[in-house]
Amino acid sequence: EVQLVESGGGLVQPGGSLRLSCAASGFSVSVYYMSWVRQAPGKGLDWVSVLYTGDTTDYADSVKGRFTISRDKSKNTIFLEMNSLGVDDTGVYYCARQIGDLNPYDYWGQGTLVTVSS
Amino acid sequence: SYALTQPPSVSVAPGETARVSCGGSNIGSDSVHWYQQKPGQAPVLVIYYNNNRPSGIPERISGSKSGNTATLTISRVEAGDEADYYCQVWDRSRDRVFGGGTKLTVL
Repeated sequence: EVQLVESGGGLVQPGGSLRLSCAASGFSVSVYYMSWVRQAPGKGLDWVSVLYTGDTTDYADSVKGRFTISRDKSKNTIFLEMNSLGVDDTGVYYCARQIGDLNPYDYWGQGTLVTVSS
Repeated sequence: SYALTQPPSVSVAPGETARVSCGGSNIGSDSVHWYQQKPGQAPVLVIYYNNNRPSGIPERISGSKSGNTATLTISRVEAGDEADYYCQVWDRSRDRVFGGGTKLTVL
């Protein structure tokens, strides 16, 4: 059974850092595009970052230079390192997988809440 | 950047048909995916590649495209269909673009 389980969210002050994890089971994160998608409170879905199967990465303009996506193949886990956090980064962060270009997100995790507040 | 336009809300009575639209300048040539998100839950894929249903999604839910508009249609609407629905495409820069979402209310 495919499962994605996020963790690492919490309350952080503006300017702070946080590291999110997404533990996968039932498939290998090495053969899928793995993305982070966030949702601000009461708002829609916004793509944040992707880690392609060839280890290249991409980021939304709003997080470029501040967030880093990575993968630990031995743990079958995806990470999102978030630095210089601002109040606009508040929201639920989901990890989701895609088999390749043009394909949908066929599985999502349950999400982890990040709150940036003083 | 590319934008997808959805109506903020759609309301229908139980047993009727709900239609959620998704407009975009390139949708005619894009592959459109649809997600259902119930309160407090993660999104769930309900339609992929314009009109295909994943296993477990009822036949009452269908997708279509005409011109620059994609439409998610839910027939014989039930109370359990009440949710937010999002369309999604890939734009030419390989960015994943989501519509703003439509709240379906079952009266």
